[in-house]
Amino acid sequence: DTGVSQDPRHKITKRGQNVTFRCDPISEHNRLYWYRQTLGQGPEFLTYFQNEAQLEKSRLLSDRFSAERPKGSFSTLEIQRTEQGDSAMYLCASSLGRVVKLFFGSGTQLSVL
Amino acid sequence: DQQVKQNSPSLSVQEGRISILNCDYTNSMFDYFLWYKKYPAEGPTFLISISSIKDKNEDGRFTVFLNKSAKHLSLHIVPSQPGDSAVYFCAASGNSGGSNYKLTFGKGTLLTVNP
Repeated sequence: DTGVSQDPRHKITKRGQNVTFRCDPISEHNRLYWYRQTLGQGPEFLTYFQNEAQLEKSRLLSDRFSAERPKGSFSTLEIQRTEQGDSAMYLCASSLGRVVKLFFGSGTQLSVL
Repeated sequence: DQQVKQNSPSLSVQEGRISILNCDYTNSMFDYFLWYKKYPAEGPTFLISISSIKDKNEDGRFTVFLNKSAKHLSLHIVPSQPGDSAVYFCAASGNSGGSNYKLTFGKGTLLTVNP
């Protein structure tokens, strides 16, 4: 059974650079979510997809952030012109149907220097 | 505005004793609640859930209690084991703001079970 896979596990970048993360959900899951977690906080919702449609975006998702899920399979999250405040763990999760039980990947830890 | 609150940042218990983790919520539209466990450098893993039509759900050593009138839920772990040491997140979903399909998380409680 393959769980949610995220790549890379760690990313160190300089302020102002662009970064892109990839998430491969559990294969039969139709919903895919991106969350962000900072130290001492719980995961914060960023956006979610049902199949290839992006149905909701948090106000946390500034215009420097863009997420895609082409063909309803894997998803990418891009951050343009990174800032130090973007440093966080970016978590991807997926779920099936009407069940709100999310399965999370191991996350991508972003450090912006 | 913190809609899901875990007011205890940490909890320490002895192996074999009961661990009780608490969670409060403010949004009355929440109707499904989950507990997740997280080890360092890993994503959260699902532990147990409860629907608002129930007041208790049990799975092995883990029991979740829901008090809707108080907007409060708790997770009981008995007996506690050293491997239970992790951060525990309470999460909720419901028709809040039109979305039934996202989870709102608390800040987490770090549980340490001492041998």
